[in-house]
Amino acid sequence: EIVLTQSPATLSLSPGQRATLSCRASQSVGTYLGWYQQKPGQAPRLLIYGASTRATGIPARFSGSGSGTDFTLTISSLEPEDFAVYYCQQRNSWPITFGQGTRLEIK
Amino acid sequence: EVQLVESGGGLVQPGGSLRLSCATSGFTFRSQWMGWVRQAPGKGLEWVADIKGDESEKTYADSLKGRFTISRDNAKNSLYLQMNSLTVDDTAVYYCAREYFRAYGPWGQGILVTVSS
Repeated sequence: EIVLTQSPATLSLSPGQRATLSCRASQSVGTYLGWYQQKPGQAPRLLIYGASTRATGIPARFSGSGSGTDFTLTISSLEPEDFAVYYCQQRNSWPITFGQGTRLEIK
Repeated sequence: EVQLVESGGGLVQPGGSLRLSCATSGFTFRSQWMGWVRQAPGKGLEWVADIKGDESEKTYADSLKGRFTISRDNAKNSLYLQMNSLTVDDTAVYYCAREYFRAYGPWGQGILVTVSS
């Protein structure tokens, strides 16, 4: 099973700042890595697939990078609505696995 | 617009069974892998199962130990999850999701399953 480790667990920033979230895989997942945003009481929303492609309707301030075992989600300038929990997920091999999440909170 | 709507959740006693449904619209259902993901209260996301468009492939999380069965009806554009021998650890919100470029998107709104005596 591929283990995804996200860091940090919690990130405290202010609107307008840049957020950098990390996801590290225990073995290579190529570029089969997705990022999701989840707000309280809502379903997860796909932000990024294929490690770096924004899903439909996702603002350009969200970007993904990386391949193999190290991946990054960057939010260039935080908006108030961006404060949420973010998960990475690999679909390179079964079982499909998720990271434990990074909580992005307002400082 | 792609839509997924889960139903069939609720309260069930330990050892009981429940069948979840996911009605879909807005895309060519029979061509898509579909999956179920669950989230225990206050916890992260846990993959449950996946099924190929023609039902020729099904995969499950090892932790389910054969208790859950994923299926689909392409004529009805619907996905199902049969859950047997439920335990309190199966209490969670269950989401259905469409596979999209090896990720999941979109997701249904989720349905709560509570296992309790």
